[in-house]
Amino acid sequence: DAGVIQSPRHEVTEMGQEVTLRCKPISGHDYLFWYRQTMMRGLELLIYFNNNVPIDDSGMPEDRFSAKMPNASFSTLKIQPSEPRDSAVYFCASRDSSGPAYEQYFGPGTRLTVT
Amino acid sequence: LAKTTQPISMDSYEGQEVNITCSHNNIATNDYITWYQQFPSQGPRFIIQGYKTKVTNEVASLFIPADRKSSTLSLPRVSLSDTAVYYCLVGDMWGTGRRALTFGSGTRLQVQP
Repeated sequence: DAGVIQSPRHEVTEMGQEVTLRCKPISGHDYLFWYRQTMMRGLELLIYFNNNVPIDDSGMPEDRFSAKMPNASFSTLKIQPSEPRDSAVYFCASRDSSGPAYEQYFGPGTRLTVT
Repeated sequence: LAKTTQPISMDSYEGQEVNITCSHNNIATNDYITWYQQFPSQGPRFIIQGYKTKVTNEVASLFIPADRKSSTLSLPRVSLSDTAVYYCLVGDMWGTGRRALTFGSGTRLQVQP
């Protein structure tokens, strides 16, 4: 398996623009997680899905952020409108609930820069 | 919440054994302890998980005392490639819920030649 796939790997955009980050989890995994990492705040959980259903979105910073998982093989994280403080590395991870409970598999991340 | 406390950073030399301790005084009965490793510019990678006593795999060992209020990740004979940030997580056995998915600040391990 190719692992968790994220695109784009790097995104530079101007304040106010819409940004869409994409994730393809490992086939067969039923959990999907979105994290954000910054120097100041570390690695934060934004939202996670189980069987394509959002379970906990309390980490989503504000209404500008939204996430969807239309099917088991694809998820998006959208920021509209983007702001400079959204600059961070965004990671997607997936997990198979039939495996070791904590073994999440992380993607390579998307480095977002909002100017 | 079972908050975790780890040293911010540690230094070591190649070939030495490194022990990173995580404090989790409020650990609950059903909580498991899990460690992740993160290299620069990469996502975290699962290392090891345990509930009590000792767990060992090909990468590391995890020591958990009887009271389970702390745990120690042991890396035998580290090399330069072990330079990374190590995170300790504590949460329920199902590995879900925000508490179980809180990574904290981690311990930055720097291995010198």
